Amino acid sequence: RKEVEQDPGPFNVPEGATVAFNCTYSNSASQSFFWYRQDCRKEPKLLMSVYSSGNEDGRFTAQLNRASQYISLLIRDSKLSDSATYLCVVKMSRLAFGKGNQVVVIP
Amino acid sequence: DAGITQSPRHKVTETGTPVTLRCHQTENHRYMYWYRQDPGHGLRLIHYSYGVKDTDKGEVSDGYSVSRSKTEDFLLTLESATSSQTSVYFCATANSISSSSYNEQFFGPGTRLTVL
Repeated sequence: RKEVEQDPGPFNVPEGATVAFNCTYSNSASQSFFWYRQDCRKEPKLLMSVYSSGNEDGRFTAQLNRASQYISLLIRDSKLSDSATYLCVVKMSRLAFGKGNQVVVIP
Repeated sequence: DAGITQSPRHKVTETGTPVTLRCHQTENHRYMYWYRQDPGHGLRLIHYSYGVKDTDKGEVSDGYSVSRSKTEDFLLTLESATSSQTSVYFCATANSISSSSYNEQFFGPGTRLTVL
Protein backbone atom coordinates (compact mmCIF):
# COMPACT_ATOMS: atom_id res chain seq x y z
CA ARG A 1 0.00 0.00 0.00
CA LYS A 2 1.34 3.42 -0.89
CA GLU A 3 2.08 5.84 1.92
CA VAL A 4 -0.32 8.47 0.65
CA GLU A 5 -3.00 7.85 -1.96
CA GLN A 6 -5.09 10.36 -3.83
CA ASP A 7 -7.47 10.10 -6.77
CA PRO A 8 -5.74 12.32 -9.35
CA GLY A 9 -8.98 13.32 -11.07
CA PRO A 10 -9.38 15.73 -12.78
CA PHE A 11 -12.25 17.09 -10.75
CA ASN A 12 -14.19 19.37 -13.09
CA VAL A 13 -16.16 21.79 -10.93
CA PRO A 14 -18.62 24.47 -12.05
CA GLU A 15 -17.78 27.89 -10.73
CA GLY A 16 -19.60 28.46 -7.46
CA ALA A 17 -20.02 24.77 -6.69
CA THR A 18 -18.55 22.75 -3.84
CA VAL A 19 -15.93 20.08 -4.36
CA ALA A 20 -14.48 17.63 -1.87
CA PHE A 21 -11.83 14.97 -2.04
CA ASN A 22 -10.06 12.59 0.28
CA CYS A 23 -6.60 11.27 0.74
CA THR A 24 -5.73 8.05 2.57
CA TYR A 25 -2.49 7.34 4.38
CA SER A 26 -0.97 4.04 5.44
CA ASN A 27 1.09 4.87 8.53
CA SER A 28 -1.07 5.12 11.62
CA ALA A 29 1.82 6.76 13.48
CA SER A 30 1.65 9.82 11.23
CA GLN A 31 1.28 12.92 13.34
CA SER A 32 1.01 15.97 11.11
CA PHE A 33 -1.05 16.51 8.02
CA PHE A 34 -1.18 19.20 5.37
CA TRP A 35 -2.74 20.26 2.12
CA TYR A 36 -0.41 21.95 -0.34
CA ARG A 37 -1.51 23.66 -3.51
CA GLN A 38 0.49 23.45 -6.72
CA ASP A 39 -0.30 25.57 -9.75
CA CYS A 40 0.71 24.34 -13.18
CA ARG A 41 4.50 24.44 -13.61
CA LYS A 42 4.95 26.08 -10.20
CA GLU A 43 6.23 25.02 -6.82
CA PRO A 44 3.97 23.58 -4.09
CA LYS A 45 2.81 26.02 -1.45
CA LEU A 46 1.18 25.31 1.88
CA LEU A 47 -2.59 25.73 1.69
CA MET A 48 -3.42 24.67 5.22
CA SER A 49 -2.47 22.33 8.00
CA VAL A 50 -5.02 19.73 9.09
CA TYR A 51 -5.75 19.51 12.78
CA SER A 52 -7.44 16.69 14.67
CA SER A 53 -10.61 18.66 15.29
CA GLY A 54 -10.85 19.86 11.72
CA ASN A 55 -10.26 23.42 10.64
CA GLU A 56 -11.45 26.07 8.22
CA ASP A 57 -9.69 28.77 6.31
CA GLY A 58 -12.21 30.86 4.44
CA ARG A 59 -13.83 28.67 1.80
CA PHE A 60 -11.56 25.73 2.59
CA THR A 61 -12.32 23.08 5.22
CA ALA A 62 -9.97 20.28 6.17
CA GLN A 63 -10.87 17.21 8.20
CA LEU A 64 -8.83 14.39 9.70
CA ASN A 65 -10.19 10.92 10.42
CA ARG A 66 -7.53 8.99 12.31
CA ALA A 67 -9.65 5.86 12.74
CA SER A 68 -10.04 5.45 8.99
CA GLN A 69 -6.71 7.09 8.17
CA TYR A 70 -7.84 9.73 5.77
CA ILE A 71 -7.89 13.47 5.45
CA SER A 72 -10.25 15.50 3.35
CA LEU A 73 -10.43 18.91 1.75
CA LEU A 74 -13.63 20.71 0.87
CA ILE A 75 -13.74 23.83 -1.25
CA ARG A 76 -16.95 25.89 -1.15
CA ASP A 77 -18.06 28.47 -3.70
CA SER A 78 -15.30 27.48 -6.11
CA LYS A 79 -13.49 30.26 -7.95
CA LEU A 80 -11.66 30.04 -11.25
CA SER A 81 -8.50 30.81 -9.30
CA ASP A 82 -8.95 27.58 -7.31
CA SER A 83 -7.92 25.58 -10.39
CA ALA A 84 -4.76 23.78 -9.28
CA THR A 85 -3.49 20.46 -8.01
CA TYR A 86 -3.98 19.86 -4.30
CA LEU A 87 -1.32 17.71 -2.69
CA CYS A 88 -2.01 15.68 0.41
CA VAL A 89 1.05 15.60 2.66
CA VAL A 90 1.63 13.39 5.67
CA LYS A 91 4.50 13.89 8.07
CA MET A 92 6.25 10.92 9.59
CA SER A 93 10.04 10.96 9.87
CA ARG A 94 9.84 12.89 6.62
CA LEU A 95 7.08 14.32 4.46
CA ALA A 96 5.22 11.87 2.22
CA PHE A 97 3.39 13.43 -0.70
CA GLY A 98 0.38 12.17 -2.59
CA LYS A 99 0.22 12.54 -6.36
CA GLY A 100 -2.37 15.26 -6.00
CA ASN A 101 -6.01 15.96 -6.85
CA GLN A 102 -6.30 18.08 -9.98
CA VAL A 103 -9.16 20.58 -9.75
CA VAL A 104 -10.43 22.45 -12.80
CA VAL A 105 -13.04 25.11 -12.11
CA ILE A 106 -15.21 25.71 -15.15
CA PRO A 107 -16.92 29.05 -15.83
CA ASP B 1 7.43 33.95 0.67
CA ALA B 2 10.64 32.29 1.77
CA GLY B 3 13.65 33.46 -0.19
CA ILE B 4 14.61 30.32 -2.08
CA THR B 5 16.17 30.40 -5.50
CA GLN B 6 17.27 27.60 -7.74
CA SER B 7 19.72 27.66 -10.61
CA PRO B 8 19.61 26.92 -13.40
CA ARG B 9 15.84 27.01 -13.93
CA HIS B 10 16.08 24.98 -17.12
CA LYS B 11 18.81 22.71 -18.38
CA VAL B 12 19.23 20.29 -21.25
CA THR B 13 22.18 17.94 -21.08
CA GLU B 14 23.42 14.72 -22.58
CA THR B 15 23.57 11.28 -21.07
CA GLY B 16 26.79 10.67 -19.17
CA THR B 17 27.56 14.28 -18.32
CA PRO B 18 27.74 15.54 -14.73
CA VAL B 19 25.17 18.15 -13.72
CA THR B 20 25.02 20.34 -10.62
CA LEU B 21 21.89 22.11 -9.46
CA ARG B 22 22.07 24.85 -6.89
CA CYS B 23 19.61 25.86 -4.19
CA HIS B 24 20.13 29.11 -2.33
CA GLN B 25 18.09 30.33 0.65
CA THR B 26 18.11 33.56 2.59
CA GLU B 27 15.90 32.37 5.48
CA ASN B 28 18.66 30.81 7.59
CA HIS B 29 16.63 27.59 7.73
CA ARG B 30 18.53 24.66 9.12
CA TYR B 31 16.96 21.94 7.01
CA MET B 32 17.15 21.69 3.24
CA TYR B 33 15.78 19.10 0.85
CA TRP B 34 15.97 18.02 -2.76
CA TYR B 35 12.92 16.42 -4.37
CA ARG B 36 12.09 15.28 -7.83
CA GLN B 37 8.61 15.38 -9.32
CA ASP B 38 7.54 13.14 -12.18
CA PRO B 39 4.17 12.46 -13.81
CA GLY B 40 2.36 9.68 -11.97
CA HIS B 41 4.44 10.14 -8.83
CA GLY B 42 4.23 12.38 -5.85
CA LEU B 43 7.21 14.43 -4.85
CA ARG B 44 10.03 12.06 -3.93
CA LEU B 45 12.86 12.92 -1.59
CA ILE B 46 16.36 12.54 -3.03
CA HIS B 47 18.61 13.83 -0.25
CA TYR B 48 18.28 16.18 2.66
CA SER B 49 20.50 18.18 4.95
CA TYR B 50 20.11 18.90 8.66
CA GLY B 51 23.00 21.30 8.93
CA VAL B 52 26.23 22.37 7.33
CA LYS B 53 28.10 19.29 6.13
CA ASP B 54 25.32 17.05 7.51
CA THR B 55 23.37 15.22 4.83
CA ASP B 56 21.45 12.00 4.45
CA LYS B 57 19.78 9.94 1.76
CA GLY B 58 16.14 10.04 0.84
CA GLU B 59 14.06 7.43 -0.93
CA VAL B 60 15.50 7.91 -4.45
CA SER B 61 19.15 8.80 -3.85
CA ASP B 62 20.89 6.47 -6.32
CA GLY B 63 22.84 8.45 -8.92
CA TYR B 64 22.74 11.67 -6.88
CA SER B 65 25.06 13.30 -4.40
CA VAL B 66 24.73 16.48 -2.38
CA SER B 67 26.88 18.95 -0.55
CA ARG B 68 26.22 21.71 1.93
CA SER B 69 29.22 23.82 2.80
CA LYS B 70 27.20 26.85 3.90
CA THR B 71 23.82 27.23 5.58
CA GLU B 72 22.39 29.01 2.57
CA ASP B 73 23.52 26.68 -0.23
CA PHE B 74 22.58 23.08 -0.99
CA LEU B 75 23.97 21.52 -4.16
CA LEU B 76 22.62 18.48 -5.96
CA THR B 77 24.94 16.66 -8.35
CA LEU B 78 24.02 14.06 -10.91
CA GLU B 79 27.31 12.30 -11.27
CA SER B 80 26.57 10.85 -14.72
CA ALA B 81 23.18 11.95 -15.97
CA THR B 82 20.78 9.36 -17.40
CA SER B 83 17.50 9.81 -19.25
CA SER B 84 15.64 8.47 -16.21
CA GLN B 85 16.80 11.57 -14.34
CA THR B 86 14.81 13.83 -16.64
CA SER B 87 12.52 15.50 -14.14
CA VAL B 88 11.55 18.65 -12.32
CA TYR B 89 13.74 19.16 -9.27
CA PHE B 90 12.52 21.14 -6.28
CA CYS B 91 14.55 22.38 -3.39
CA ALA B 92 12.80 22.99 -0.07
CA THR B 93 13.73 24.37 3.32
CA ALA B 94 12.34 24.13 6.84
CA ASN B 95 13.35 25.45 10.22
CA SER B 96 12.04 22.46 12.19
CA ILE B 97 11.39 18.80 11.51
CA SER B 98 9.79 17.75 14.74
CA SER B 99 7.42 14.93 13.86
CA SER B 100 4.64 16.62 15.73
CA SER B 101 5.28 20.12 14.48
CA TYR B 102 3.33 21.90 11.82
CA ASN B 103 6.29 23.80 10.48
CA GLU B 104 5.87 23.96 6.75
CA GLN B 105 8.42 23.31 4.07
CA PHE B 106 9.03 26.15 1.66
CA PHE B 107 9.78 25.25 -1.93
CA GLY B 108 11.95 26.87 -4.53
CA PRO B 109 10.65 27.51 -8.07
CA GLY B 110 12.07 24.27 -9.48
CA THR B 111 14.60 23.27 -12.13
CA ARG B 112 13.46 21.49 -15.28
CA LEU B 113 16.16 19.08 -16.33
CA THR B 114 16.13 17.17 -19.60
CA VAL B 115 18.70 14.45 -20.21
CA LEU B 116 18.95 13.46 -23.85
